[in-house]
Amino acid sequence: GQSLEQPSEVTAVEGAIVQINCTYQTSGFYGLSWYQQHDGGAPTFLSYNALDGLEETGRFSSFLSRSDSYGYLLLQELQMKDSASYFCAVGASGSARQLTFGSGTQLTVLP
Amino acid sequence: KAGVTQTPRYLIKTRGQQVTLSCSPISGHRSVSWYQQTPGQGLQFLFEYFSETQRNKGNFPGRFSGRQFSNSRSEMNVSTLELGDSALYLCASSTGQGSYNEQFFGPGTRLTVL
Repeated sequence: GQSLEQPSEVTAVEGAIVQINCTYQTSGFYGLSWYQQHDGGAPTFLSYNALDGLEETGRFSSFLSRSDSYGYLLLQELQMKDSASYFCAVGASGSARQLTFGSGTQLTVLP
Repeated sequence: KAGVTQTPRYLIKTRGQQVTLSCSPISGHRSVSWYQQTPGQGLQFLFEYFSETQRNKGNFPGRFSGRQFSNSRSEMNVSTLELGDSALYLCASSTGQGSYNEQFFGPGTRLTVL
């Protein structure tokens, strides 16, 4: 089966940098993806890593180390609107679209 | 391009009843996946449909079923509702091809079982 671990809560101030870690165990690997979900909203895709290394998209970056079964999401220049839940997810064995999600990290950005 | 739409947005049912939820994917997307989100269990995969065929299935009882139509719209059905079925049901669409597709989620249907 698949399992992912990420911190339940992270708090930071506006303008700061925060890193949300994710470790995973999976049979078959179809990359690590990250989703953002605001309260009452739908999850929205942030990034995807299939290979080791860093992917950068604006203020957000995501890193993957397949040998360590580890990844992280880095959020820079935090803004109040970044307060949300962040989920890491992996594709299950046999399917890239059968996502197994972590339990989510609630990020609170303080003024 | 219009996003993923789900109807209804809110639903209240009583135990033992059945419910049907609908999802319209983004135009051109042939894959629709369904997820259940609860505070206790988080986001859990229910099933995926591609070209009217169930391609993957999560670990849910047979009371949960789905189907997909030729226009890629999908429905999921839950029979004999239980209190524990109260959840946000999300569908996500993608092109369904290749080793990975970004999934686009709809706003969800909030189901309350009394």
